[in-house]
Amino acid sequence: GENVEQHPSTLSVQEGDSAVIKCTYSDSASNYFPWYKQELGKGPQLIIDIRSNVGEKKDQRIAVTLNKTAKHFSLHITETQPEDSAVYFCAALSNDYKLSFGAGTTVTVRA
Amino acid sequence: EAGVAQSPRYKIIEKRQSVAFWCNPISGHATLYWYQQILGQGPKLLIQFQNNGVVDDSQLPKDRFSAERLKGVDSTLKIQPAKLEDSAVYLCASSLVWGDTEAFFGQGTRLTVV
Repeated sequence: GENVEQHPSTLSVQEGDSAVIKCTYSDSASNYFPWYKQELGKGPQLIIDIRSNVGEKKDQRIAVTLNKTAKHFSLHITETQPEDSAVYFCAALSNDYKLSFGAGTTVTVRA
Repeated sequence: EAGVAQSPRYKIIEKRQSVAFWCNPISGHATLYWYQQILGQGPKLLIQFQNNGVVDDSQLPKDRFSAERLKGVDSTLKIQPAKLEDSAVYLCASSLVWGDTEAFFGQGTRLTVV
C-alpha cells in the first residue's frame, strides 16, 4: 500500500516568514495529493490539492508543488499569520482510491 | 451546507466495554469513510463505503470493530470489546463521489478507554 512520509514534525516560524512542509510517497500510481489543516478539537479541512498532471498550484498565500519523478510534494505558506498555527497533513490517493496521510506537521507562528 | 455530523463528541469507557459512534454525512455524498486518529499521528482509514456497500475494510480490526451504513446515509461504527489501544479520535468523512474529490471531515469522537 501507499506510504506517506512527512517532514518536519514541528515547525516554528516568525510571523511574516514562510513555512515549508515536505512529503514523499511510495506508490508511483498515486495521482491526487491533498493537504489538510487541522485545528485543535476539529476535523481536518482541505486547504489545497494537486493532481498528478500539474506541477504547481497556488491559492493566495498557499502553494503546492509536485515532483512525480522524485515522488515528493511540498506545501509552501508565505507571509505566515498567527491563524496559520495548526497541524498540517499531506495525503496521497493511490489508484485503488485509498487516501493515506502523513504523520502531520505542527506549525506554530510566533507573533 | 451542513457539514458532517458526528456524535458523541467524547466518550470514556472501561476496557472490555462496547461503544458505538454515529455519523451523518453531507446530504448527497455517496462515499463515507471512518478514520482512526491516534494522538500525534495522521488519520488511518478503517473502512470506506460507497452508498451502502463496503469498498474497503482491509484495515478494520474485524474481531472487535464493525461498521454499517444502512440505506446509504447514516453510519455507525462499533467497538466490542474495547482495548486500551483503541483510545483515539474517530473521524467520519464523506465525499460526493468515490475517488479524487474533496473529503469533508466531521469534528470526530474522542474515545478514551481506561
